[in-house]
Amino acid sequence: QDQLEQSGAELKKPGSSVRISCKASGGLPNSQLINWVRQAPGQGLEWMGRIIPVHRSSDYAQAFRGRATISADRSTGTSYMELTGLTSADTAVYYCARASYPGWGSFSLPFDTWGQGTLLLVSS
Amino acid sequence: DIQLTQSPPFLSAAVGDRVTITCRASHDINDFLAWYQQKPGRAPNLLVSGAVGLRSGVPSRFSGGRSGTEFTLTISSLQPEDFATYFCQQLKSDPPLFGGGTRVEVK
Repeated sequence: QDQLEQSGAELKKPGSSVRISCKASGGLPNSQLINWVRQAPGQGLEWMGRIIPVHRSSDYAQAFRGRATISADRSTGTSYMELTGLTSADTAVYYCARASYPGWGSFSLPFDTWGQGTLLLVSS
Repeated sequence: DIQLTQSPPFLSAAVGDRVTITCRASHDINDFLAWYQQKPGRAPNLLVSGAVGLRSGVPSRFSGGRSGTEFTLTISSLQPEDFATYFCQQLKSDPPLFGGGTRVEVK
């Protein structure tokens, strides 16, 4: 079964940036997209955005526009999420999650495979 | 944005109990609703999609329902491995927001 393997935990200082990777064992075919979701300690799930590899396009939640960049390298089957201007409020576990993509801008399919999560701790 | 109100936030139950979690959408989302289970320290796991479609491999004691903009996840007979947090998610339109979660605890 296709798996998503994320990079390891990160400790960053306020004001810095972080890049987290998510490697899909089955690659990034035209029929799939990758979402990024974060979860602050003891809190719920917050959708950050997605990358549609076949279109090389990304969409972002309002809260992350201008501060997050989601990208994908189809040659390695890896998606990346970069977050800049870190504050303690960004301390969370970050997940990548795959969804099928039938095309035509349809994003109505659920997140069927998740990475194991990457803990980001922002502290001085 | 389409908001989801999930209730209750906490639920205490015993093994064998029938448990129902509710998720109410702020707008009509048709059947574009999914349910996930998350255990401590683990990533969420998809249980139900299309409001009522049980994912392959998920035990049949789980079921999804819909009445208008109110959606339910029911566990017919709670098992020890079902103590976890459950989230709903709407997939009708961006952003695909999640409900606040329901933590199912041992009574």
